Amino acid sequence: KQEVTQIPAALSVPEGENLVLNCSFTDSAIYNLQWFRQDPGKGLTSLLLIQSSQREQTSGRLNASLDKSSGRSTLYIAASQPGDSATYLCAVTNYGGSQGNLIFGKGTKLSVKP
Amino acid sequence: EPEVTQTPSHQVTQMGQEVILRCVPISNHLYFYWYRQILGQKVEFLVSFYNNEISEKSEIFDDQFSVERPDGSNFTLKIRSTKLEDSAMYFCASSTETGGGKNGYTFGSGTRLTVV
Repeated sequence: KQEVTQIPAALSVPEGENLVLNCSFTDSAIYNLQWFRQDPGKGLTSLLLIQSSQREQTSGRLNASLDKSSGRSTLYIAASQPGDSATYLCAVTNYGGSQGNLIFGKGTKLSVKP
Repeated sequence: EPEVTQTPSHQVTQMGQEVILRCVPISNHLYFYWYRQILGQKVEFLVSFYNNEISEKSEIFDDQFSVERPDGSNFTLKIRSTKLEDSAMYFCASSTETGGGKNGYTFGSGTRLTVV
C-alpha cells in the first residue's frame, strides 16, 4: 500500500531564504507526482506536476524534482516571501488499479517571517 | 484559468440529516473525484467517477455516500444520515485523464461540512 511522508511537518524561515521541502513514497511505481499549496481553510492549488518519465519541473521560484528509484521528491522554493506561507502537500498516483486515486502526504506547514 | 466550483462553501447540518454537496468540474474534463480532509489529517480519496459511473471508491465511501452527475455540468456528493465524524472539508476535483495525465488534477475550494 502506497504511503506518502513529508518532512518536516513544519518549517519557519526568514524572508529571502531558499528552502527545500521533502516528500517520500514507499512504492516507486508511480504514474505522476503533484505538489499542491493549501492556505488555511482553503482549497488545493496545484503548483507543479511531474510525470513518472520526468526528473524535474520548474515554475517561477519553484522547482520540483523526482527520483523514482529512491522514492523521493523535493520542492525547492527560492527567495522565500511571506506570501509563500501555507501548507505544501505532495501527492502521487500509482500505476495499476488505483490510477485514479491521489495519495497525499500530511503536508509541510511553511511560515516565512518578514 | 478554468476552475472547479463547489457550493456551498460551508454547510452546517444536524446529525442524521442528509446533505448534498455540489461541484461543477472543468467543462472538458472527463474524470471527477471527491476527497475529504478531516481537520488536522491527510486529504483522503473517496470516489472517482467516469462515463456516468463510479470507477473506484475507497473504504470510506460506504452505503451512506452516493454520487451523481444529474446533468452535463454538475457533479454531486450525497451523504445520508450524517454523523458527527462526517465533519470535514470535502473537495471535488477533475482531470482530463485517469491518473491526472499531463495536466494533473484540478481541485475546487472545498465545502466545509459541520455536523452538529
